[in-house]
Amino acid sequence: DAKTTQPTSMDCAEGRAANLPCNHSTISGNEYVYWYRQIHSQGPQYIIHGLKNNETNEMASLIITEDRKSSTLILPHATLRDTAVYYCIVTTSYGKLTFGQGTILTVHP
Amino acid sequence: DSGVTQTPKHLITATGQRVTLRCSPRSGDLSVYWYQQSLDQGLQFLIQYYNGEERAKGNILERFSAQQFPDLHSELNLSSLELGDSALYFCASSSYADRVPGNTIYFGEGSWLTVV
Repeated sequence: DAKTTQPTSMDCAEGRAANLPCNHSTISGNEYVYWYRQIHSQGPQYIIHGLKNNETNEMASLIITEDRKSSTLILPHATLRDTAVYYCIVTTSYGKLTFGQGTILTVHP
Repeated sequence: DSGVTQTPKHLITATGQRVTLRCSPRSGDLSVYWYQQSLDQGLQFLIQYYNGEERAKGNILERFSAQQFPDLHSELNLSSLELGDSALYFCASSSYADRVPGNTIYFGEGSWLTVV
């Protein structure tokens, strides 16, 4: 699985968009980008995943650059409940996930 | 609620003992995965079962074992427990084995194990 690099922490104001970047410069053609989050010791929660195209669901949007070497997870209107650790995972083994340190997102009132 | 159920939620036991953690996957999911989360190691994949068969192995200690039963529930057995085994143990499930586009795994809420 390709290595990912994420900022250690980010802050966001409530109601604003949270944009979480992830670098995966060694991604191979058949590797997907997955995003999970973990809210204080709860089980990791699936957010979204994509291969090449941008994706959107009820939780977030995923923007993948054309060269696929980086991506951005967008939470359009962050709330306090979005405070969590966000993990960007690049993998072909969709079940055997390798979690890095992730980004601690803190949403402020 | 992911639909993955784990029991017990909390467990305290002594060193040298053996415990069993139980997982019920989401309805219809054939794959079950076990992960360990400790303070110093982060979230680590332990093992995967697909429809009763071991499918992939990660950093699982020899003192640990798992199985998946015909009704698809799974158990993780931890024996000769050491202080360092104290951690959160997560079970996850998915519809497919792996390498299937769009295969997504869903995690349970975990079992807190404290070894004293």
